Amino acid sequence: KNQVEQSPQSLIILEGKNCTLQCNYTVSPFSNLRWYKQDTGRGPVSLTIMTFSENTKSNGRYTATLDADTKQSSLHITASQLSDSASYICVVRYDRGSTLGRLYFGRGTQLTVWP
Amino acid sequence: DGGITQSPKYLFRKEGQNVTLSCEQNLNHDAMYWYRQDPGQGLRLIYYSQIVNDFQKGDIAEGYSVSREKKESFPLTVTSAQKNPTAFYLCATQGWGRVEIRTGELFFGEGSRLTVL
Repeated sequence: KNQVEQSPQSLIILEGKNCTLQCNYTVSPFSNLRWYKQDTGRGPVSLTIMTFSENTKSNGRYTATLDADTKQSSLHITASQLSDSASYICVVRYDRGSTLGRLYFGRGTQLTVWP
Repeated sequence: DGGITQSPKYLFRKEGQNVTLSCEQNLNHDAMYWYRQDPGQGLRLIYYSQIVNDFQKGDIAEGYSVSREKKESFPLTVTSAQKNPTAFYLCATQGWGRVEIRTGELFFGEGSRLTVL
């Protein structure tokens, strides 16, 4: 069964600290994995995409890693800011070759950054 | 101002009433989607459309209906048959260019929050 599991469910950190969010998936075959950031009451926005051949990708203070062998991804946030408070959603796309495969959504990790 | 516009942002409905959520896009994307988001759950697909005048049921289509008469518009009607309609509804689009097919990025609207009284 294709699934995406995220941990922790929620996380509270102090401003300026680092944190790492986890995403484990069983989707196979795998096309790509994307991390989205969703502010409260807003739509999700893409942070980064990882394909099978990529291990690490950075977007400012956000760094995503992917281990396709163990089917694990992480999102590391460096020097957290109050604006990082949001839900972070891991989304894995099933590989259907040249056409778009379906998406599998994790439940998200709710990050709260305190001053 | 390019993007996806969902309206209304907040909507209250009495039981037994149908309501329609609007989704308009000017990104020239062919594919449009409706998702439902409940607290502590992942996004669930309600309906999607890959081309005008064609749409497909998603995982939780019961109690919902859609139309796709124009490329820019994909309204969602929440009918009285939907047993638990209180939720946050998200509209998304996706392009069908070669790069967009490979990456599959969804662009989301700001969402509509429906509350049944």
